[in-house]
Amino acid sequence: AQSVTQLDSQVPVFEEAPVELRCNYSSSVSVYLFWYVQYPNQGLQLLLKYLSGSTLVKGINGFEAEFNKSQTSFHLRKPSVHISDTAEYFCAVIPQTGANNLFFGTGTRLTVIP
Amino acid sequence: GAVVSQHPSWVICKSGTSVKIECRSLDFQATTMFWYRQFPKQSLMLMATSNEGSKATYEQGVEKDKFLINHASLTLSTLTVTSAHPEDSSFYICSAREGWEQYFGPGTRLTVT
Repeated sequence: AQSVTQLDSQVPVFEEAPVELRCNYSSSVSVYLFWYVQYPNQGLQLLLKYLSGSTLVKGINGFEAEFNKSQTSFHLRKPSVHISDTAEYFCAVIPQTGANNLFFGTGTRLTVIP
Repeated sequence: GAVVSQHPSWVICKSGTSVKIECRSLDFQATTMFWYRQFPKQSLMLMATSNEGSKATYEQGVEKDKFLINHASLTLSTLTVTSAHPEDSSFYICSAREGWEQYFGPGTRLTVT
């Protein structure tokens, strides 16, 4: 079985400050990892993904994430946030074998304060 | 990237009526599509997996007779909420799978009065 934990339900941060959104997962099999962003009343947009290779992955809008297998984490980071980054962020995993659907965390609401 | 559309984007209906929501993959073929439900300030809850040409697979606790899913072609899946009630009001999101990635539609806001 798979589970995804996003410990921070809300993260307020000042504009141009760095931010880290935490994600930990649990799985009995190897997984692929994803971060999605959701703006109000919209669907989800893929920010970045880790399938294989370098554990540091870069995504859109200046975001990056690092896969740490030993800590089963996939934290999302941005060195300098903008007002437009205010949104809900979801971490998700999909098992490499077995189930073919995404398992989502509960989401982190990022609020950028001017 | 791949694009998934949903129609309608919002709908208001009276209690007891049925509502159909369409999900289309516009520039790729998707043998598998997914339907999610999202309550305010919560994560996405997987309702069912829609497989082209076969019956949908419903998650535990989801009434298959109430939420009818049809995946008639490689680019279209539909969700019909039958005999809708106010508690069915929610944000419904579909996604289509291509390889290891899922592409999400913009969502449909359903309000049952």
